[in-house]
Amino acid sequence: DGGITQSPKYLFRKEGQNVTLSCEQNLNHDAMYWYRQDPGQGLRLIYYSQIVNDFQKGDIAEGYSVSREKKESFPLTVTSAQKNPTAFYLCASSPLGPMNTEAFFGQGTRLTVV
Amino acid sequence: DAKTTQPNSMESNEEEPVHLPCNHSTISGTDYIHWYRQLPSQGPEYVIHGLTSNVNNRMASLAIAEDRKSSTLILHRATLRDAAVYYCILRDGRGGADGLTFGKGTHLIIQP
Repeated sequence: DGGITQSPKYLFRKEGQNVTLSCEQNLNHDAMYWYRQDPGQGLRLIYYSQIVNDFQKGDIAEGYSVSREKKESFPLTVTSAQKNPTAFYLCASSPLGPMNTEAFFGQGTRLTVV
Repeated sequence: DAKTTQPNSMESNEEEPVHLPCNHSTISGTDYIHWYRQLPSQGPEYVIHGLTSNVNNRMASLAIAEDRKSSTLILHRATLRDAAVYYCILRDGRGGADGLTFGKGTHLIIQP
């Protein structure tokens, strides 16, 4: 089945450690996105990419890094510089082109830093 | 980026229609109006989108004001499974990568 997969669903890390969240899509979408969601809040954009080897900062990029070495993969690294990393992280992908059709989201990774 | 404004929450009864409003007074001529919904502990899912004309699909209807400064998502017969946060966003139809910016959305509560 075509779709977008995030792994793992739950992740626990000790404070001060970097952690990488996986996002893979087999929809042949050009654009991919990472969001952070805190309890009771909306989605805040961290990074997005429209093409391999290119990405742009979103509203809250500090303390995060990404790479886009392959079209289907857009991993997010939460670095030790991120002051409050515990959150629900969502990845999305979307085709590009006229009308900008629907975006597809993964099921999310819930990161807890202790 | 053009912004949208939605009520924080709305409540409705099961099996009744629900009208979810969205204001987007700074919408540009190339912006499409998209709606997504997010069930608890899940990623958002696409509901519907439109440009100028009203749109219908199996999930909902989208009514767009003539001046395009507001729109309304219509759930014709709400069920308990429709309880979710509904997001109204604008996407530029010219095809470039945009930030796909979400606001806080409307938390829809369905009473049995």
